[in-house]
Amino acid sequence: AQRVTQPEKLLSVFKGAPVELKCNYSYSGSPELFWYVQYSRQRLQLLLRHISRESIKGFTADLNKGETSFHLKKPFAQEEDSAMYYCALSRPGRRALTFGSGTRLQVQP
Amino acid sequence: DTGVSQDPRHKITKRGQNVTFRCDPISEHNRLYWYRQTLGQGPEFLTYFQNEAQLEKSRLLSDRFSAERPKGSFSTLEIQRTEQGDSAMYLCASSPDRANEQFFGPGTRLTVL
Repeated sequence: AQRVTQPEKLLSVFKGAPVELKCNYSYSGSPELFWYVQYSRQRLQLLLRHISRESIKGFTADLNKGETSFHLKKPFAQEEDSAMYYCALSRPGRRALTFGSGTRLQVQP
Repeated sequence: DTGVSQDPRHKITKRGQNVTFRCDPISEHNRLYWYRQTLGQGPEFLTYFQNEAQLEKSRLLSDRFSAERPKGSFSTLEIQRTEQGDSAMYLCASSPDRANEQFFGPGTRLTVL
């Protein structure tokens, strides 16, 4: 069965510092990977997906199949980036998402 | 608001009672999903519909849980004989056919006393 691991429950950085939120997955095939974000008092929303290979709000994520990782990065954190971040996976041809347990990012002024 | 809506937002019930939650997806989305989220965890998949057909069910979905989407529009999730372990946030999401970008609702928080 597939599994998504986010090893850090909390990541605290200062404004302007680089951010890397770690995500590792276990699945033998070629999954689709996503990052979802939940800002305070808002609903869960998609931040980015690996097949789009785009940068959203300055965030990027690269799928590393050798290391089975999909880490989320941003070179300069902003206070408005403070939120809960979830990494998620879907198997080929399937729609169900398997989520990690989430990492809370706290950007201090 | 044209996003996914869920009703009620909060439900407190006593152990053994039945509860039903409703989800209204984004109108042009054919696919609808139910997830459950407990404190400190990410959402866990429960079930998924394409139009009115229930295509996938998680092993988490015990026989006390049933979901329907009778006309391919709104969906209901019923929990019979609730247990304290059912206390969680129940999330609904919808997506268009062409992409697996799931749009989430605000959730229904269930507390079983």
